[in-house]
Amino acid sequence: GIQVEQSPPDLILQEGANSTLRCNFSDSVNNLQWFHQNPWGQLINLFYIPSGTKQNGRLSATTVATERYSLLYISSSQTTDSGVYFCAVRASGTYKYIFGTGTRLKVLA
Amino acid sequence: NAGVTQTPKFQVLKTGQSMTLQCAQDMNHEYMSWYRQDPGMGLRLIHYSVGAGITDQGEVPNGYNVSRSTTEDFPLRLLSAAPSQTSVYFCASSYGGQGAGEQYFGPGTRLTVT
Repeated sequence: GIQVEQSPPDLILQEGANSTLRCNFSDSVNNLQWFHQNPWGQLINLFYIPSGTKQNGRLSATTVATERYSLLYISSSQTTDSGVYFCAVRASGTYKYIFGTGTRLKVLA
Repeated sequence: NAGVTQTPKFQVLKTGQSMTLQCAQDMNHEYMSWYRQDPGMGLRLIHYSVGAGITDQGEVPNGYNVSRSTTEDFPLRLLSAAPSQTSVYFCASSYGGQGAGEQYFGPGTRLTVT
């Protein structure tokens, strides 16, 4: 089955810093989403982005499906950005979503 | 819209007991799925459904049963609980019957099996 790897596994930033999170996948995909899991365990939808680039405030994401990766950019980070960021993909020809192992982000005040 | 709702929020079971985790959505989504998340890990797919009456296995289906008699509801049954099933369980839905579209997650059920 498809493999989904995220990097880095852990990231510590000072408030105001920028960061790039990466999601690599091993096969072609139809769907890709980025989620933020906050410290209370809630999964928050960030982007639905099977291809192309999207922006929402300080966050943006780019998926290059032909090269099998997606990037999540966080600019001017805030302490409320802390938590775990997951990407999830659905491989072409399947109905199953597979999650990556996540990037754990801590933003220090 | 309430979105995706899950009950109960917390549950403690003894080994060997059975129970049903409830999941409902009011968005008329065709695709629904169940995941488990173990501490410090990502989410793993247990079962999914592409529409009423149609279900299939995900990555970790053993010990769990599902059925989908209506579009709105997708209950997850633990047949004989084991400590290895201690986890947080999330239900999700999306509008596309083949898993297309954006997935929306419920708040989760935290299950402890002693």
